[in-house]
Amino acid sequence: NAGVTQTPKFRVLKTGQSMTLLCAQDMNHEYMYWYRQDPGMGLRLIHYSVGEGTTAKGEVPDGYNVSRLKKQNFLLGLESAAPSQTSVYFCASKRGTGNEQFFGPGTRLTVL
Amino acid sequence: AQSVTQLGSHVSVSEGALVLLRCNYSSSVPPYLFWYVQYPNQGLQLLLKYTTGATLVKGINGFEAEFKKSETSFHLTKPSAHMSDAAEYFCAVSGASNDYKLSFGAGTTVTVRA
Repeated sequence: NAGVTQTPKFRVLKTGQSMTLLCAQDMNHEYMYWYRQDPGMGLRLIHYSVGEGTTAKGEVPDGYNVSRLKKQNFLLGLESAAPSQTSVYFCASKRGTGNEQFFGPGTRLTVL
Repeated sequence: AQSVTQLGSHVSVSEGALVLLRCNYSSSVPPYLFWYVQYPNQGLQLLLKYTTGATLVKGINGFEAEFKKSETSFHLTKPSAHMSDAAEYFCAVSGASNDYKLSFGAGTTVTVRA
């Protein structure tokens, strides 16, 4: 099993550009989460999903959208990137009856 | 609502010395508590977790943590530090009634001196 994978690993955007980050998991997990990591702030939840076709807002959802059309994939979109969205983005997944989240390797995004 | 406070953003220990990382939490639901470790340029790896039962939990790489409800704490310890323990450590709390969303502390960076 590959576990949780994220695409791309690195990306540089200009202000106003859009992009989509892809998270994929091959563990048949029900729950999926998107976090951003910034120095001195730990990880903060952006959006999450408790199952295919469902999404919900987390702690810092503004400027992001998500979709969960397939159980194994969770997409994070930035419609108009801003420098404040420069961060490292982590995806995580969790099976329905468990409580541990499994994390992907992260995507480092820089917005100029 | 949940929140996590990690005391000390940086901890420096000598190889072979005790590692102690402090974590206090607040939670309006029965908490699940976690410690994750992040090595440079990598994702987060679970060290250990408390859900129910025994309050002293053992994890990987010789780490353990004790859940103290009266003190709302979940401190992480390792009796003897190794150079490979140099990393950033995150304490996190979640609850079953809020879709298991994790709230993280700000993290503690551990450096190990030879």
